[in-house]
Formats: sequence, C-alpha cells, structure tokens
Amino acid sequence: QVTLKESGPGILQPSQTLSLTCSFSGFSLSTSGICVSWIRQPSGKGLEWLATICWEDSKGYNPSLKNRLTISKDTSNNQAFLKITSVDTADTAIYYCALDYGGWFAYWGQGTLVTVSS
Amino acid sequence: DIRMTQSPASLSASLGETVNIECLASEDIYSDLAWYQQKPGKSPQLLIYNANSLQNGVPSRFSGSGSGTQYSLKINSLQSEDVATYFCQQYNNYPYTFGAGTKLELK
Repeated sequence: QVTLKESGPGILQPSQTLSLTCSFSGFSLSTSGICVSWIRQPSGKGLEWLATICWEDSKGYNPSLKNRLTISKDTSNNQAFLKITSVDTADTAIYYCALDYGGWFAYWGQGTLVTVSS
Repeated sequence: DIRMTQSPASLSASLGETVNIECLASEDIYSDLAWYQQKPGKSPQLLIYNANSLQNGVPSRFSGSGSGTQYSLKINSLQSEDVATYFCQQYNNYPYTFGAGTKLELK
C-alpha cells in the first residue's frame, strides 16, 4: 500500500527558508522509473508543479520560482525534501508530495498547509 | 512553458447525464496527459493517464480521449459522488503544467 505524508513548519515569516519533508511507504526511490514530485495549491486556486526527483537522482524544477527551489532525497529512510528560499506571502499554499510514475501523479499525500505571514 | 486551457470553468449537470471536459494544449503533447479529480478538502486523485488509460480502481464511467493538442474527459451516467473539480495536466515537458480546473456541480 502506497502512502505519502508531508510535514512542514505550518507558519513562517517572509524571507525565511521553507523546509518540507515527504515521508513515504509502499515504494522505494531507488527503484528504476520511480520519482517523487512536489505540487502546491493556494487556497481555492489551481495546482502548480514545483519540482521532481527521480531514482537515479535526476531533478527537474519549475523555472517560475527563479532558482529558489532545492529538491533532495534520503532513499534509505524513504524521504524526499523540498526547500524554498526567500518565501513571501505568495508562497502560502497547501504543499503536496506525490508518487510520479512517468510524469503523472498516481498517489498524493494529504498535503501540509504553509502560511507565510509577518 | 506549455499552456493548458481547460473548458468549461464550471459545469452544472443532472444525475445520469454525460459530461465532457476539454483541455487544449498550446503545443503537441503526444498524449502525455493526465486527468485528476479533487473533492473539497481532499488531495487530487488520478483518474486517467497517457490520455486514455484508466487508473486502477477508477470507475469505468470515466474515460479519456484525444491526441496532439486536444484532449477530453468524459463522465458517463453522472453520479452524485462525481461532484468535484477536475484538472488536466501535461507531462510531455518540464515544467509540468495543469489546466485551471473545471468545477462540476449537480443541477
């Protein structure tokens, strides 16, 4: 059974760095073809893909976030991570991680709400 | 970036009716298209991938079609549990991009 769960700080101040963790089970990020992606959704709005990391450590980033993103993984502990630097109020959203089989997101976590506020 | 234009933005339909949602890509995405269903307060759930492949466990009343730049999601015999927002997503190229969503309500 595949499960994913996101964790984060809940609230942080503008200009700080957001650190998110995705803890998963039911699959391994060392298996060929497996990737984990991060997607976010501001309240009442649409979905925005942020970044992807794959089994062989290839990575993809959304250029709209202008080099603020860093994705990484800890295969032995079944975790993936996302850092976003210099956050502002526009980064307030629900952040999801998802199992990415080939570009489509077959399983999603429950999401973690991140609020950026002074 | 590949732009995904989804229509309509909202839709009202009756139980048992057939519903179609369209997604137009700004360039050929070679069937690298997925559809998701999102109910209020829940995470999105995958319905269709590779434009027309039904995800395991998804009812067969959902189907996808299309090629090139034009794709559609069809829901046959609408059920009350289908009330949700539907999103398309292209994965032909980074950055992956989503349509703005179609909110489906019961008439």
